[in-house]
Amino acid sequence: QVQLQESGPGLVKPSETLSLTCTVSGGSVSSGSHYWSWIRQPPGKGLEWIGNIYYSGNTNYNPSLKSRVTISVDSSKNQISLKLSSVTAADTAVYYCARDQMVQGVIGPWFDPWGQGTLVTVSS
Amino acid sequence: QSVLTQPPSVSGAPGQRVTISCTGSSSNIGANFDVHWYQQLPGTAPKLLIYGNIYRPSGVPDRFSGSKSATSASLAITGLQAEDEADYYCQSYDNSLSGTVFGTGTKVTVL
Repeated sequence: QVQLQESGPGLVKPSETLSLTCTVSGGSVSSGSHYWSWIRQPPGKGLEWIGNIYYSGNTNYNPSLKSRVTISVDSSKNQISLKLSSVTAADTAVYYCARDQMVQGVIGPWFDPWGQGTLVTVSS
Repeated sequence: QSVLTQPPSVSGAPGQRVTISCTGSSSNIGANFDVHWYQQLPGTAPKLLIYGNIYRPSGVPDRFSGSKSATSASLAITGLQAEDEADYYCQSYDNSLSGTVFGTGTKVTVL
């Protein structure tokens, strides 16, 4: 079955750019059947959708983060990537990648499966 | 920012039934977007529990059930078990934000 694995630096300095990669196995990011999302969770807090991407490169972003976020896809490596610029301590969170799911008869996407998540701390 | 409101916590004794509400608005649940639910055990990633308001993925016990009405949705857990102690999140789509929104999360405690 499809598995997702996030990777990237666990520590980023304030004002710098956070960069993460999600490697997909057991399936293809370019299958054309799914969008792929990034979701984050600050320590002890709730979930926040960051944005998603289709294999064609079409993206959607959370308006609250849109000015700082870039999500991209590398079909040759079967990976999606996240870049978040000008980070502050408020961006400290566990970052998850997940596959969007949609089926006829259900209105709106859901997420399954999820990666295990990776903790990114913003600190000098 | 969460636009779906859940109670911070609910609790129940083993074997009891608990429900978790998820209250939205006319731009998400009330706009006919469906609601999905996730279970997050401590230290782990969220796991899909219910999709499309009422559907259980393969492997999810039938003790978990979902419903939706107007601008809100509910998750019910019957026959509560110790292993159900976790955080639960609802999720939907919001057309004013043009994106996915999550609930504030509810911690379920088994007494």
